[in-house]
Amino acid sequence: AQSVTQLDSHVSVSEGTPVLLRCNYSSSYSPSLFWYVQHPNKGLQLLLKYTSAATLVKGINGFEAEFKKSETSFHLTKPSAHMSDAAEYFCVVSDDNDMRFGAGTRLTVKP
Amino acid sequence: DTAVSQTPKYLVTQMGNDKSIKCEQNLGHDTMYWYKQDSKKFLKIMFSYNNKELIINETVPNRFSPKSPDKAHLNLHINSLELGDSAVYFCASSHRQQYGYTFGSGTRLTVV
Repeated sequence: AQSVTQLDSHVSVSEGTPVLLRCNYSSSYSPSLFWYVQHPNKGLQLLLKYTSAATLVKGINGFEAEFKKSETSFHLTKPSAHMSDAAEYFCVVSDDNDMRFGAGTRLTVKP
Repeated sequence: DTAVSQTPKYLVTQMGNDKSIKCEQNLGHDTMYWYKQDSKKFLKIMFSYNNKELIINETVPNRFSPKSPDKAHLNLHINSLELGDSAVYFCASSHRQQYGYTFGSGTRLTVV
């Protein structure tokens, strides 16, 4: 069985400072991993995905994530936060049969 | 040219009513899904539908029934609506799960 844990329910950063959203996963197989973003009152948008290619994955809006098998982690980072990054972020683990969402991390960006 | 579209975007209705939410995808994906997002933003799979095979989450009440007239459509019908059904419902589609889902913009259902 697969599972995903987002280690922080809420992260607050100042504009222009780095962002780190943490995600750990558990999977019996070589999983695919994703990060989705949900802006207020909007649907979920795919930020980036890892599907067993390069371990450092670059996504949209300057986000990237690194797959670390030894740590079973897939943390999301961005060098410099922008006000428009304020949103809910979901880490997702998937194999061909099942897809599991984390509980979400709410990112707040202070001016 | 919307990839996954849901209608309506907002739905306010009284307890006991029956309502439907429609979903259409133009991506040629072969699997479609319904998710429920509660007030704490937690996403829960309700149904997946692939090539006429319906996989049901057993915790979903049988008042909820998905209907798929063809591969591009997966509608959600809800009978005898209850206050606890208030949530945002998302439709999604995928070619294969390992490639990720494309989500619709959601339907905010409020039962009063």
